[in-house]
Amino acid sequence: ETTLTQSPAFMSATPGDKVNISCKASQDIDDDMNWYQQKPGEAAIFIIQEATTLVPGIPPRFSGSGYGTDFTLTINNIESEDAAYYFCLQHDNFPLTFGQGTKLEIK
Amino acid sequence: QITLKESGPTLVKPTQTLTLTCTFSGFSLSTSGVGVGWIRQPPGKALEWLALIYWDDDKRYSPSLKSRLTITKDTSKNQVVLTMTNMDPVDTATYYCAHTWELLIFDYWGQGTLVTVSS
Repeated sequence: ETTLTQSPAFMSATPGDKVNISCKASQDIDDDMNWYQQKPGEAAIFIIQEATTLVPGIPPRFSGSGYGTDFTLTINNIESEDAAYYFCLQHDNFPLTFGQGTKLEIK
Repeated sequence: QITLKESGPTLVKPTQTLTLTCTFSGFSLSTSGVGVGWIRQPPGKALEWLALIYWDDDKRYSPSLKSRLTITKDTSKNQVVLTMTNMDPVDTATYYCAHTWELLIFDYWGQGTLVTVSS
């Protein structure tokens, strides 16, 4: 089973900041990493596929990087609407596994 | 437009069997490569993948819960049903269903349904 270690668990940012969220896999998963955004009471939104590909319709201030075991979600020029819970998912192998999630607060 | 919606009981007693239904629109589970999965999130904890069923009736389960889970599909009703036996308070969680197509894993999600296990 591939364990995903996501950090930080919580972070606070100011509009205009750049933030990085990390997800480390316990074994090589190529680029089989997705990132999602979720707001309370709403359906999760798919934002990054295959580690680096921005899902159509997602603002370009979101980006993903990484391959193998180390992955990063970057949000540039943060806006207040980016306040949410972010999580990663590996789909290289079963069982599918998630990171522990990051709650992003905007001051 | 793809939508999914989870439904089922909000409260179950310990040892009971939970039955959840995912009703979807905007796609067909008879289309090659399409799947629907179930995921849960206990309050304050991380997401956990439970099960996934594909268009060809291939089924995958979380190894830790496999003995308690059954996933089925009704293509004519656009529904996927998950049953979980022998419920315990630790199974209290928000349960989500999500769409998958080829490498687009969980590209659309439902809003989730909170299930509380308590006597």
